[in-house]
Amino acid sequence: GQSLEQPSEVTAVEGAIVQINCTYQTSGFYGLSWYQQHDGGAPTFLSYNGLDGLEETGRFSSFLSRSDSYGYLLLQELQMKDSASYFCAVRDRYSGAGSYQLTFGKGTKLSVIP
Amino acid sequence: DTAVSQTPKYLVTQMGNDKSIKCEQNLGHDTMYWYKQDSKKFLKIMFSYNNKELIINETVPNRFSPKSPDKAHLNLHINSLELGDSAVYFCASSQGRALRDSRQYFGPGTRLTVT
Repeated sequence: GQSLEQPSEVTAVEGAIVQINCTYQTSGFYGLSWYQQHDGGAPTFLSYNGLDGLEETGRFSSFLSRSDSYGYLLLQELQMKDSASYFCAVRDRYSGAGSYQLTFGKGTKLSVIP
Repeated sequence: DTAVSQTPKYLVTQMGNDKSIKCEQNLGHDTMYWYKQDSKKFLKIMFSYNNKELIINETVPNRFSPKSPDKAHLNLHINSLELGDSAVYFCASSQGRALRDSRQYFGPGTRLTVT
């Protein structure tokens, strides 16, 4: 089966940097994605790492180490609007079909304080 | 220009009733999904269709039946609703099921409350 571990809550100060870690156990790993979800909203895609290394998109960066089954999301210059839940999601193969599925972690609730 | 839309946004109903949730995407994507998000925000895949073909069918009670009349639409019908079905149901789509098409676009969600 698959399992993903990420911290349940993180609090950080506006303007600071925060890192949200994700460790996973899965067979047939094909990449790690990150999604953001504001309260009452829908998950929105932030980033995808298929290979080891760092991907940068503006204030957000995501890192993957496949040998360590580990990744993280780095948020820089935190803003109040970054307060949301952040989900890591592993892309793995769905058994019985030539398809892939996303298995989500339980999410990290980030609170940005003034 | 809504990419993935769902109706209704809120659904309050009594135990034992049958209800449907509709989803439409105008992105031209081939693959659509239904997810269930429980009160603890755990997001779990239920079904996936690719070009109207069911490709993912997770362990879900058979009271839940998806239907895809065309690749732009994926509906979810739930029979004999139970209290435990209360959750937010998200529809999503992606360009395809190939590896490079990993980004999923989510609809706004349908908050189902069973009383």
